[in-house]
Amino acid sequence: GEDVEQSLFLSVREGDSSVINCTYTDSSSTYLYWYKQEPGAGLQLLTYIFSNMDMKQDQRLTVLLNKKDKHLSLRIADTQTGDSAIYFCAGAPSSGSARQLTFGSGTQLTVLP
Amino acid sequence: NAGVTQTPKFQVLKTGQSMTLQCAQDMNHNSMYWYRQDPGMGLRLIYYSASEGTTDKGEVPNGYNVSRLNKREFSLRLESAAPSQTSVYFCASQGEGYTFGSGTRLTVV
Repeated sequence: GEDVEQSLFLSVREGDSSVINCTYTDSSSTYLYWYKQEPGAGLQLLTYIFSNMDMKQDQRLTVLLNKKDKHLSLRIADTQTGDSAIYFCAGAPSSGSARQLTFGSGTQLTVLP
Repeated sequence: NAGVTQTPKFQVLKTGQSMTLQCAQDMNHNSMYWYRQDPGMGLRLIYYSASEGTTDKGEVPNGYNVSRLNKREFSLRLESAAPSQTSVYFCASQGEGYTFGSGTRLTVV
């Protein structure tokens, strides 16, 4: 099965870039996701990347995938106070009728004014 | 579209009581999931259903049962609640990505 690891905390200054890192163990993970969870809320899908891609950019978000090192990162440009939340990376295999997501423990991002 | 709807949003149970958490999706997805979220542990899969009529255990199924009533609905039942089941429960359905409900905050005292 999949194992996904993240660092627990990250603090940045407003306007700086944030980089949240994630490592995964299962090389068959084909789909890799980033979710955002604000306090008391559910999970919001931010972006996802297929394992045949190295990079994906979506407005302020950039996802980088290093398949050799099984390392995934999420860069948030011009971080704002509204970006303060918990960020989860998650992986899912390509095969199977139900592709089960395996989550990391989440990274608490705090944006300081 | 409502997406994934979970009820109730909050619940307090006494040890030994039973309850059913309801989940419905309106996206015509085949696969649905139940996760629990505990501090510092991310989300852990309890049960999932690949399609109507099928259910399978996830990582932490003990103490829970599920029913895939039809394509839209996937319920989670606690037959005899225990304090260790105090958690936030999320239902999700899978299309191209995964859509999560807003969660049920359950406290067992």
